[in-house]
Amino acid sequence: QSVLTQPPSASGTPGQRVTISCSGSSSNIGSNYVYWYQQLPGTAPKLLIYRNNQRPSGVPDRFSGSKSGTSASLAISGLRSEDEADYYCAAWDDSLSVNYVFGTGTKVTVL
Amino acid sequence: EVQLVESGGGLVKPGGSLRLSCAASGFTFSNAWMSWVRQAPGKGLEWVGRIKSKTDGGTTDYAAPVKGRFTISRDDSKNTLYLQMNSLKTEDTAVYYCTTVDEYCSSTSCYAVDYWGQGTLVTVSS
Repeated sequence: QSVLTQPPSASGTPGQRVTISCSGSSSNIGSNYVYWYQQLPGTAPKLLIYRNNQRPSGVPDRFSGSKSGTSASLAISGLRSEDEADYYCAAWDDSLSVNYVFGTGTKVTVL
Repeated sequence: EVQLVESGGGLVKPGGSLRLSCAASGFTFSNAWMSWVRQAPGKGLEWVGRIKSKTDGGTTDYAAPVKGRFTISRDDSKNTLYLQMNSLKTEDTAVYYCTTVDEYCSSTSCYAVDYWGQGTLVTVSS
């Protein structure tokens, strides 16, 4: 059971800006970095954002991450057809034992 | 080129066991902290557990649903990660990925790169 809550879906037309939220708690997002992953259909996930707002080399600057308190968000600006994918937030959780928790996932559709 | 190649998946009955392997190449495996992540059919991602490098103690951590049933180990001489799965349940049915991330920040810049295998399907069914 995911402890990070995301909207199940988001959509936009090409060129629009789409934002995905990720809600957690003080034991995960509130006290640790947030990571975002992109999973294209039929492929393994890929790291999109690390340490709240850092982009790995090769990730377009159309993708940006932010965090405030126990919530985080991923923004995709200038939406493109190839951005149609599932997106997951994640964070380490300090409650009880070491645990890396993923969000429920958001399916982004480019209309 | 970095490669992670999982193997060992298949069909197993509830209560059975299975061992997955992940063969690594293209990076210094012995220095890497390795993780297993799974994804049930049509569902989201779930962290299974991780193993630190031997330099960092070689300790393991597990998600609550698999703790006591699954064991992660590594053979640095073979550049291979393992996931021993015992007392399997139908809810363990998933594609299992091995993954690692190399992440570093200095005072002036940050760097991160992640690697994933292609995944291996484990089906637990009678």
